[in-house]
Amino acid sequence: AQSVAQPEDQVNVAEGNPLTVKCTYSVSGNPYLFWYVQYPNRGLQFLLKYITGDNLVKGSYGFEAEFNKSQTSFHLKKPSALVSDSALYFCAVRDYNTDKLIFGTGTRLQVFP
Amino acid sequence: DADVTQTPRNRITKTGKRIMLECSQTKGHDRMYWYRQDPGLGLRLIYYSFDVKDINKGEISDGYSVSRQAQAKFSLSLESAIPNQTALYFCATSEIAGKYNEQFFGPGTRLTVL
Repeated sequence: AQSVAQPEDQVNVAEGNPLTVKCTYSVSGNPYLFWYVQYPNRGLQFLLKYITGDNLVKGSYGFEAEFNKSQTSFHLKKPSALVSDSALYFCAVRDYNTDKLIFGTGTRLQVFP
Repeated sequence: DADVTQTPRNRITKTGKRIMLECSQTKGHDRMYWYRQDPGLGLRLIYYSFDVKDINKGEISDGYSVSRQAQAKFSLSLESAIPNQTALYFCATSEIAGKYNEQFFGPGTRLTVL
């Protein structure tokens, strides 16, 4: 069965510092991976996805994610964090057989001024 | 995403009541989904529909039912609400063409069952 894990419930980072939100996956076959962000009182917004090709995927709001097949990871990164990046971040994998999205438990990112 | 709307946005109800949550989309997508979000559990899929005549159970469908009234409308019903159905509910849509397209989410409905 496909699954993703987000090992950190919360990540704290100072504004201007680089940030990383971790995600590892377990799939049979090729992984199709996604990152979403949820701001307070809002629905989930798509950030980026990895289907195939370059291991570094660029997305919205200056975020990028690095796909690492040997470590089965898809970590979300940003070179310089903003206070406005504070939100809940979800990693997800598309189930190969049913085409459904399977979400991780979420990581709360807190960026301090 | 403003193209996916959910009503109501907030609802407080009592145990045993029947509740319907509605979702409408103007994106023209064939596929629609209902998720619930609970703290520490992420999003879990309740039901999904790949077209008007195709309805499928997700991982936590017990206690829920759905109706796909049209391509643009997908409703979720709780026939007899219970307190552990208190959660944030999201509707989502995706295109059928392009197998790996992302899903677009509505703003959510916060449901409290007393």
